[in-house]
Amino acid sequence: QKEVEQNSGPLSVPEGAIASLNCTYSDRGSQSFFWYRQYSGKSPELIMSIYSNGDKEDGRFTAQLNKASQYVSLLIRDSQPSDSATYLCAVNLRGSTLGRLYFGRGTQLTVWP
Amino acid sequence: ETGVTQTPRHLVMGMTNKKSLKCEQHLGHNAMYWYKQSAKKPLELMFVYNFKEQTENNSVPSRFSPECPNSSHLFLHLHTLQPEDSALYLCASSQSGADNEQFFGPGTRLTVL
Repeated sequence: QKEVEQNSGPLSVPEGAIASLNCTYSDRGSQSFFWYRQYSGKSPELIMSIYSNGDKEDGRFTAQLNKASQYVSLLIRDSQPSDSATYLCAVNLRGSTLGRLYFGRGTQLTVWP
Repeated sequence: ETGVTQTPRHLVMGMTNKKSLKCEQHLGHNAMYWYKQSAKKPLELMFVYNFKEQTENNSVPSRFSPECPNSSHLFLHLHTLQPEDSALYLCASSQSGADNEQFFGPGTRLTVL
């Protein structure tokens, strides 16, 4: 049973464009949502967390959450080649114990110059 | 040292060996986690410790044995592993509470021959 789903990609965008990464989750009662970036051969790095419906902006990154649609997205504005990585969506599901995150398989993003 | 550290970074072991992975967090957190990341699979939670107490064992085979002597240190003892156990093993830490962000160490790349 898949609980967190992401398009595996690869997603390819030109430098300067907006990259849009999407994630859906199965449990309507989920409360906490996270985006991680993982460069090849490295560990995941937390870039955004979001808990309430709407948008949350941090620099070039915007996370969007719609609990009614069970959908969370990450927008990267002015994409740079250094943004090329795999982006992991993680969700803390309703009823889960401390810190029990479910991860999607990740979307591979390539930003070409 | 800052953040979450893991040693060794790379480990090659035979199926009859016994080895241990070490994790240390310098963030003042009180929850620590072991994850397994295999190719083409989502991150899989293995164990959760909260204030040194194990709160979750995600049906992990007994050939993996965790130890958490205090809130800053976490070990994963390995014995009689199988080749399919080859993966990236990641340690993470967070403050207690289901909403809290988890921060990952660099991981140990394990190869079982």
